[in-house]
Amino acid sequence: DAGVIQSPRHEVTEMGQEVTLRCKPISGHDYLFWYRQTMMRGLELLIYFNNNVPIDDSGMPEDRFSAKMPNASFSTLKIQPSEPRDSAVYFCAIRSGELSSYNEQFFGPGTRLTVL
Amino acid sequence: QQQVKQSPQSLIVQKGGISIINCAYENTAFDYFPWYQQFPGKGPALLIAIRPDVSEKKEGRFTISFNKSAKQFSLHIMDSQPGDSATYFCAVLGPGAGSYQLTFGKGTKLSVIP
Repeated sequence: DAGVIQSPRHEVTEMGQEVTLRCKPISGHDYLFWYRQTMMRGLELLIYFNNNVPIDDSGMPEDRFSAKMPNASFSTLKIQPSEPRDSAVYFCAIRSGELSSYNEQFFGPGTRLTVL
Repeated sequence: QQQVKQSPQSLIVQKGGISIINCAYENTAFDYFPWYQQFPGKGPALLIAIRPDVSEKKEGRFTISFNKSAKQFSLHIMDSQPGDSATYFCAVLGPGAGSYQLTFGKGTKLSVIP
């Protein structure tokens, strides 16, 4: 999980509540990615940023999902209002020229979200 | 449309045996083919990757075989060990030059039994 800190690690909330997931890259990077992982759908790309600018958000499932990257050291994924079907593990990943010269993506430990 | 098809979904191998996981893709514009390994409670981590200009890449006990004409690539784990028990994902990068978007297969859960 080198290179990325995610918080919280676990989140349990009730349907209809707002949820904010946080990602803090600790290494230099040019791309930041948000993924969602479920048993049924596997690992899906939600959105990615290049130099803090959103490039492709076509994977964001609904308007209830939004992501921001106000600076190179911080990104958030917000779900408002949350629904039980949003329950999943959400990963943040970076592409870092400092850590690897290839197209490797470095994943954080993930946030396990449960919506009751 | 599923851009990457991975099989099998699960695999049980005896210690010392060979584990083989396969992936097939559709778009010939993909130009980077990695395999990621994920342990429970952790994020995926790059295991090994190959570019389409070579047919095989080996790193230790792990080998990728790549068949460009068939649009298939596979991961071979030689002398499988219990510590290799994890979920393995193939992925493709692209399409298009300058794309850093990875599309993952559905994953294969490997169990290596002593």
